Amino acid sequence: SQQGEEDPQALSIQEGENATMNCSYKTSINNLQWYRQNSGRGLVHLILIRSNEREKHSGRLRVTLDTSKKSSSLLITASRAADTASYFCATDPRGANSKLTFGKGITLSVRP
Amino acid sequence: GAVVSQHPSWVICKSGTSVKIECRSLDFQATTMFWYRQFPKQSLMLMATSNEGSKATYEQGVEKDKFLINHASLTLSTLTVTSAHPEDSSFYICSATRLVPYQETQYFGPGTRLLVL
Repeated sequence: SQQGEEDPQALSIQEGENATMNCSYKTSINNLQWYRQNSGRGLVHLILIRSNEREKHSGRLRVTLDTSKKSSSLLITASRAADTASYFCATDPRGANSKLTFGKGITLSVRP
Repeated sequence: GAVVSQHPSWVICKSGTSVKIECRSLDFQATTMFWYRQFPKQSLMLMATSNEGSKATYEQGVEKDKFLINHASLTLSTLTVTSAHPEDSSFYICSATRLVPYQETQYFGPGTRLLVL
């Protein structure tokens, strides 16, 4: 069953704008991960945030985690047309070889 | 980096035939590999967890006799779709975890698109 629930399901923005995507989950986690998938391709790992972390940065990406609300957000700053893809959050209940549960995904379109 | 490959990248077959998909970790040893399937515009659904040298663990609702998984070495896992039918048409993706050095990240293959006619 899917645990993560992203919103919005689809997001269309202009190049240069920021994109914010949210993910909610239901059970306890060891970490939460965000992935990107270009159309018809495999997944690319973007960033991992552990349950004891609240915020993490990687380049133009900023991820927050609120375990009390069981939610996470992914912010992409200064978006580019190349950021157009589907984005998934995935929860890891135990860490290290445990199963990931993916959300339904968000389709991001960045208009040039 | 950690690279995972899949072969073939796409396959078209007739109903009733069997199809084998390979998943390889190219530059690291993967004691655990995962197999997912993804329908168009949907999320990834975990099918099974494959551990080297032992039987795969299947998710509820996944027929183990239909989807045969073999993890013969630390760098190779195979998924065989037996007696494929049109409803098995999907995008199959594998992933692998790397323990040396320890990383929690799963590295995903590029996927295999299966079309059963």
